[in-house]
Amino acid sequence: GAGVSQSPSNKVTEKGKDVELRCDPISGHTALYWYRQSLGQGLEFLIYFQGNSAPDKSGLPSDRFSAERTGGSVSTLTIQRTQQEDSAVYLCASSLERLAGETFGPGTRLTVL
Amino acid sequence: AQKVTQAQTEISVVEKEDVTLDCVYETRDTTYYLFWYKQPPSGELVFLIRRNSFDEQNEISGRYSWNFQKSTSSFNFTITASQVVDSAVYFCALSGRGSQGNLIFGKGTKLSVKP
Repeated sequence: GAGVSQSPSNKVTEKGKDVELRCDPISGHTALYWYRQSLGQGLEFLIYFQGNSAPDKSGLPSDRFSAERTGGSVSTLTIQRTQQEDSAVYLCASSLERLAGETFGPGTRLTVL
Repeated sequence: AQKVTQAQTEISVVEKEDVTLDCVYETRDTTYYLFWYKQPPSGELVFLIRRNSFDEQNEISGRYSWNFQKSTSSFNFTITASQVVDSAVYFCALSGRGSQGNLIFGKGTKLSVKP
């Protein structure tokens, strides 16, 4: 596609439920990133994929968070047993190569009640 | 430790004024990249520029210009003759270490350009 797309655009869930967020990067972009943006924490790095592998998982805040990427394309970020502090906008970005100047998606706004 | 500081939380200018957004970074790496992103009210982050640590030449793109000075660890961004459409939050970012793919973002500067 022309840009990075993310779904859903908004997600409201109850505390304790699992959620899955999806990212469709720009076709041909081998590098894919997940960030989250919240008022208190600014922009935080979560995870980086090069192809299907994730050489850097250092940003995942807890073992409730996991991510995968298949076919060098679509990525899903899963948050298990959501907590209220998980409420944020989750941003996906992709680039042709690592740190080439990422194109960001519109984000998924997650609200945990 | 790696860190990006954008000391200006909010700036308000009147259209046609020039404005400079400050960015100071800390890193022990000799090779790194610096970035600026724009986040307009619509919310989507837009990539503006990437500079390699070995290239200290200033860059100009239309009304935008960037001043990279390694001696002061700064990468400042100037908008000349600002316009209302420049109103946004601007983020400066630094590349993470080694094989890390992450960007370390500053807290952002909210620029309001009034007509």
